[in-house]
Formats: sequence, C-alpha cells, structure tokens
Amino acid sequence: NAGVTQTPKFQVLKTGQSMTLQCAQDMNHEYMSWYRQDPGMGLRLIHYSVGAGITDQGEVPNGYNVSRSTTEDFPLRLLSAAPSQTSVYFCASKNRPDPDRDNEQFFGPGTRLTVL
Amino acid sequence: GDSVTQMEGPVTLSEEAFLTINCTYTATGYPSLFWYVQYPGEGLQLLLKATKADDKGSNKGFEATYRKETTSFHLEKGSVQVSDSAVYFCALSKGAQKLVFGQGTRLTINP
Repeated sequence: NAGVTQTPKFQVLKTGQSMTLQCAQDMNHEYMSWYRQDPGMGLRLIHYSVGAGITDQGEVPNGYNVSRSTTEDFPLRLLSAAPSQTSVYFCASKNRPDPDRDNEQFFGPGTRLTVL
Repeated sequence: GDSVTQMEGPVTLSEEAFLTINCTYTATGYPSLFWYVQYPGEGLQLLLKATKADDKGSNKGFEATYRKETTSFHLEKGSVQVSDSAVYFCALSKGAQKLVFGQGTRLTINP
C-alpha cells in the first residue's frame, strides 16, 4: 500500500491564481480530510468527507473547495489564491469510526504552498 | 468548543535527558487522546494513543497516561536520543471525523 499520497510537494502561486492539490489513498478509507499547518497554530481542519459524494466544512473552509467523486481521491481547490493561504497542507484518511476502536488518522507527506 | 493546549516550545535537551511535554485538554464527553510526531520534512505519524481514562499509551520508549481528573495527557520519555528531534502534537477526537490539535512543540536533542 502507498497509503496517503499528495501532489505536488511544493508549489508557488501568484495572488489570484487557482490550483488543485491532489490527495489519494489506497486503503479503502471512507473518511478523508484536509488540514493546514501554520506556525504556532497546530493543524486546522479545512474540509472533510465521510464518503463518496459527501463533503462538509471544517474550521477554516473559506477560499477552498472540495469534491469526493470516488473513495480514493479528495482534491482541494484554491479558487483565487491569497498570501494568507501560504501554508503546509496535509491530507488524511481513516476508516469509519468504531465505538470500540480509536480514531487514528493516516497523513500524507504534505504540500508546501507559497502564495506571492 | 473542544481544545488542546501544549507547553510552549521550543524544547532543547541533551541526549539521555528526561523528557516531559505537557498537554491538557478541554472537551465534553470522553475523547480519545493522541500524540503525533512530525519529523523534519515529513507528514504526521501516530506515536501513541489512549481511548479511555487511566489508559497508558506507549511506543518507542514514549509514554502518556490519560488522566481524566486533571484533563491531561503528558508525554514522557526516560532517555531521549538525537533521533527524537521532531515536532510533537497532542490531539483529541470524539468518535467523529475531526482531530483537534494542540499547537505543537518543537523538540531538539543535542548530542
């Protein structure tokens, strides 16, 4: 298994440009999430999905769109990049939670985005 | 809302020193608690977890005990190594999709 993969690893954008961060997992996980990591703030949830065709907003959704057409893929779209979106973005996935088990999430290696 | 507070870093120690990174949480109900580690240039990896009060999670010489009475989940290691240098995140989850993270603590171990 490749686990959770993300592309690209690095990206530089100009203000106003749009782009899509790719995320894929091969573990047949139902749940997928996008987080952003900023210095001194830990990771904050942007959007998440509980299954194909279902998405919902997290803590900081503004300026981002997501879709979940397949179980494997969960792309994150920046509609019009702003310098405030300079960050490291992590995708994560996990199984449907079981009350008798923990909720471990599996993270991708991250995408470092700079918006000039 | 739910939140996690970690001790501020950065933390710098010498090899073989004792490590404690404090973590306290605020949550309703009975969250599961986690420590994740992020090595330089990599994504987050689960280090250890505890799903109910008084559980002790352990891995790679690290330990943390779920203390409901003090709402804490402090990370400890008896003798740190240079290879333990990383950023450590405390997090909670309540059976849903979301993990709530602390701000992270950067640990540097000098030889």
